Amino acid sequence: LAKTTQPISMDSYEGQEVNITCSHNNIATNDYITWYQQFPSQGPRFIIQGYKTKVTNEVASLFIPADRKSSTLSLPRVSLSDTAVYYCLVGSPNDYKLSFGAGTTVTVRA
Amino acid sequence: GAGVSQTPSNKVTEKGKYVELRCDPISGHTALYWYRQSLGQGPEFLIYFQGTGAADDSGLPNDRFFAVRPEGSVSTLKIQRTERGDSAVYLCASSPGHRTEAFFGQGTRLTVV
Repeated sequence: LAKTTQPISMDSYEGQEVNITCSHNNIATNDYITWYQQFPSQGPRFIIQGYKTKVTNEVASLFIPADRKSSTLSLPRVSLSDTAVYYCLVGSPNDYKLSFGAGTTVTVRA
Repeated sequence: GAGVSQTPSNKVTEKGKYVELRCDPISGHTALYWYRQSLGQGPEFLIYFQGTGAADDSGLPNDRFFAVRPEGSVSTLKIQRTERGDSAVYLCASSPGHRTEAFFGQGTRLTVV
């Protein structure tokens, strides 16, 4: 599985947009980029997955440039409840083994 | 509740004791995974079941750890002769098959004293 690098922590305020960039220089051709969210005392939760360009759902947007060596998770208008750890994962859709790094701790303040 | 259920939510045991951690996956999910998460780190893969068989147990740290899934549904993670270093949150996840999206339970926090 490709190694990923993401910031250890980010601070934000309610109502702001939060962008978390993940580097994955060794991404393989058939690899997808997946983001998970983890609240304290809970297991990780899938939030979005993409292969190229842009993917949007009701929770977030994922931007992937043409070279796919990085990706950016965008959380629009965050609230206090978005405080969590966000993990960037890279792998084939057939990979059953998820490889989590340390993630990015996002803290949203009032 | 249609989610992955793990019991107990918390377990405190003495060093050297045996423990069992239970996972009830989402009904119909054929794939089941166990992960272990230490404080401040992301989850680490332990074992993967496809149906009743362990397709990959390469993440189990040593032979004190064992997991079963006898009927292809509920799974039990068993730890013998527990050590203080086994203290962590043990997470179970399930998925419909070979997919990246896994659904996690809330975990069992194991503390070995």
